Amino acid sequence: GAVVSQHPSRVICKSGTSVKIECRSLDFQATTMFWYRQFPKQSLMLMATSNEGSKATYEQGVEKDKFLINHASLTLSTLTVTSAHPEDSSFYICSATDSLSNQPQHFGDGTRLSIL
Amino acid sequence: DAKTTQPPSMDCAEGRAANLPCNHSTISGNEYVYWYRQIHSQGPQYIIHGLKNNETNEMASLIITEDRKSSTLILPHATLRDTAVYYCIVRLSGGSNYKLTFGKGTLLTVNP
Repeated sequence: GAVVSQHPSRVICKSGTSVKIECRSLDFQATTMFWYRQFPKQSLMLMATSNEGSKATYEQGVEKDKFLINHASLTLSTLTVTSAHPEDSSFYICSATDSLSNQPQHFGDGTRLSIL
Repeated sequence: DAKTTQPPSMDCAEGRAANLPCNHSTISGNEYVYWYRQIHSQGPQYIIHGLKNNETNEMASLIITEDRKSSTLILPHATLRDTAVYYCIVRLSGGSNYKLTFGKGTLLTVNP
């Protein structure tokens, strides 16, 4: 089945640091990628949708200048949490899909971000 | 997208069938029913989806009522590794770049 790889799986860093998370589709072309955030004991919340070669579309309440998304190729999207603070600590998950083949979204294994 | 209602938790004995219900009474004609599951500290895993016909794959079966207002995900022989939160999501058809809206899902616990 379709494989989505997310890296790193865990990050611990100091407040004020910027952190980059990568999401790769390993065996298909991801025309669209999604970024979600999940706080403990809560469900996944969509942060933004990115189409290859276009600017990301952010959900209401998500700061686009804080959560920078790049989707420059059909196999890679990155999420950069800029100047991270403890309240940004969360589980970040990406998903990818090839809209041309109408396949379902496939998810990465998530990145647990801890800001000290 | 239509809202879904699922029981917060269910238990199942190992080796027995697990039947997870989902209510989506406001579903519209072009909305599909998707099922994902999330094992603790992992990303969600796609299970199955359908429009109006029953569907089966190597993981599960999806039974959709004739009026499409509810569905049931069936895991025919549950194992301990099937313990997870199961999400039933209704989503527009067409391009698969439509976003998924996750509810609280059902925590299925498979007991030995």
